[in-house]
Amino acid sequence: EPEVTQTPSHQVTQMGQEVILRCVPISNHLYFYWYRQILGQKVEFLVSFYNNEISEKSEIFDDQFSVERPDGSNFTLKIRSTKLEDSAMYFCASRDRGQGQPQHFGDGTRLSIL
Amino acid sequence: RKEVEQDPGPFNVPEGATVAFNCTYSNSASQSFFWYRQDCRKEPKLLMSVYSSGNEDGRFTAQLNRASQYISLLIRDSKLSDSATYLCVVNAGGFKTIFGAGTRLFVKA
Repeated sequence: EPEVTQTPSHQVTQMGQEVILRCVPISNHLYFYWYRQILGQKVEFLVSFYNNEISEKSEIFDDQFSVERPDGSNFTLKIRSTKLEDSAMYFCASRDRGQGQPQHFGDGTRLSIL
Repeated sequence: RKEVEQDPGPFNVPEGATVAFNCTYSNSASQSFFWYRQDCRKEPKLLMSVYSSGNEDGRFTAQLNRASQYISLLIRDSKLSDSATYLCVVNAGGFKTIFGAGTRLFVKA
């Protein structure tokens, strides 16, 4: 069964550094998402991406964050000037066309900011 | 009112029990509804979509009540492996997806 893959599984970074989290969505999917889950808290929507542009973003997704689809397969989340509070699990998801299609999640990147 | 609200639990039930979870949502324009399960420190995994007429998948039954703006999940004949956090997920129109905080279920032998 096709799946969403994320790398790395764990990223440890010094505060103030930039990180890039990578995702390979399911190949025929057209809609891509990033979520964040701080330990012990709920899954929070960050951004959705369709047709090579951001379709919606949350108030969390400020100028510190950016997304890119650099080629036909990868989907990346860049976090600049990382802060301690950026420590969380970051999940990528993708879905097929059609309003009622569910999203399929990668197994996440654990980001630890020191 | 929270956009998507769930009873956090925990629900502690014996094997074989029937357990039900509810979830309410605030945006009447919401269009798609799902139940996911999440094991500790893992990604959310789709359990089932929720259709207007209600739907069943083995031991799991999902219902949608648009008038009262809630969805439900019923688990029959609980197994130890059903222990997890169950997430109510609502597509509020457009591309934004809202997760509930989840309901924790513990099934004990």
